Amino acid sequence: EAQVTQNPRYLITVTGKKLTVTCSQNMNHEYMSWYRQDPGLGLRQIYYSMNVEVTDKGDVPEGYKVSRKEKRNFPLILESPSPNQTSLYFCASSPGTGTGELFFGEGSRLTVL
Amino acid sequence: GESVGLHLPTLSVQEGDNSIINCAYSNSASDYFIWYKQESGKGPQFIIDIRSNMDKRQGQRVTVLLNKTVKHLSLQIAATQPGDSAVYFCAESSNDYKLSFGAGTTVTVRA
Repeated sequence: EAQVTQNPRYLITVTGKKLTVTCSQNMNHEYMSWYRQDPGLGLRQIYYSMNVEVTDKGDVPEGYKVSRKEKRNFPLILESPSPNQTSLYFCASSPGTGTGELFFGEGSRLTVL
Repeated sequence: GESVGLHLPTLSVQEGDNSIINCAYSNSASDYFIWYKQESGKGPQFIIDIRSNMDKRQGQRVTVLLNKTVKHLSLQIAATQPGDSAVYFCAESSNDYKLSFGAGTTVTVRA
């Protein structure tokens, strides 16, 4: 089944404790992206990747890092999480350049205390 | 910066009626628009898209209308069903790499 898989789905952590949210897609898509969703703000793009070893900042990259060492994986790294990073995170992939049909994961709800 | 927005955060619709969800955008350079549907506890799903060289596009029970003069986008859902209850997002792009999403409209279908 074609899908985008995120882990963990739910996480409660404390300020400053490094964490990684993994994202994997099995559709051989070149484009991958991370979004955060907050009430009243819709989805805001954090980082995106056009292909292996090619990443770029989205609209809200501060406090986040990403890497794209393999085509299928695009982990989101929070080196030192803060409470303002409490949010619902979505990973997405696309066979094209990032517009058109994005395939989203189920989401990862992160709470930073 | 410029953003995409929706006129109303919530919409209540009687089952069987037609729904109209509106979206205003402010970036005049936007040339591609998409509607996504997000059901509770799930990620957004693509519904329909439209390019700026069109003013109307139809899918299965859905129609997207684009009015570039007033920078307005709408999604029409025919014969709304309970399964249409969800949050609907419009998104716009002025390049090939980024989509900007609106805040979303929550549609509730009344039986």
